[in-house]
Amino acid sequence: EDQVTQSPEALRLQEGESSSLNCSYTVSGLRGLFWYRQDPGKGPEFLFTLYSAGEEKEKERLKATLTKKESFLHITAPKPEDSATYLCAVQASSSGSARQLTFGSGTQLTVLP
Amino acid sequence: NAGVTQTPKFRVLKTGQSMTLLCAQDMNHEYMYWYRQDPGMGLRLIHYSVGEGTTAKGEVPDGYNVSRLKKQNFLLGLESAAPSQTSVYFCASGPSGANVLTFGAGSRLTVL
Repeated sequence: EDQVTQSPEALRLQEGESSSLNCSYTVSGLRGLFWYRQDPGKGPEFLFTLYSAGEEKEKERLKATLTKKESFLHITAPKPEDSATYLCAVQASSSGSARQLTFGSGTQLTVLP
Repeated sequence: NAGVTQTPKFRVLKTGQSMTLLCAQDMNHEYMYWYRQDPGMGLRLIHYSVGEGTTAKGEVPDGYNVSRLKKQNFLLGLESAAPSQTSVYFCASGPSGANVLTFGAGSRLTVL
């Protein structure tokens, strides 16, 4: 069974205080690992896809990295507008044509001014 | 482009009532999904469709039915609502050539 565990559940940072969010996964053949951002009362919004260990993707203050067992979302010098819940999801090779995702429960990030 | 539109946004039901959630996408996507999101449990897949006229069960399909008669629409039905179905429901769609999903804004359902 595919599993995704995110930590911490909640994280409070001061503006400018860099940190990392963790996503540990167990999957029978990784087809892709996805990061989404979810604002309160809204649907998840796509951030990154990572396909193989060692891969890195960047977008503004966010950088996602991938190993064979986990992914990190690094946030450099965060701003209050980075406050959101960050979701990690995996797509297994066994998902076939359905390509369904298995999601973690998310990390709620709050950046204080 | 509206993207993925879900209706209604909020609904309160009594136990045993039925209702349908509508998801409409204007991106010509082949794949459509219905997820539910509960506190501490993440998004869980209810049903999905890989094309017009096709549907399949996801992780938590019991108590729900779906239909995809038109490519742009994916309907989620509750025949006899139960309090355990109180949740926020998200529809998502994706193109056949990529894995990225576009989500709707969600539908909050409360079953009393």
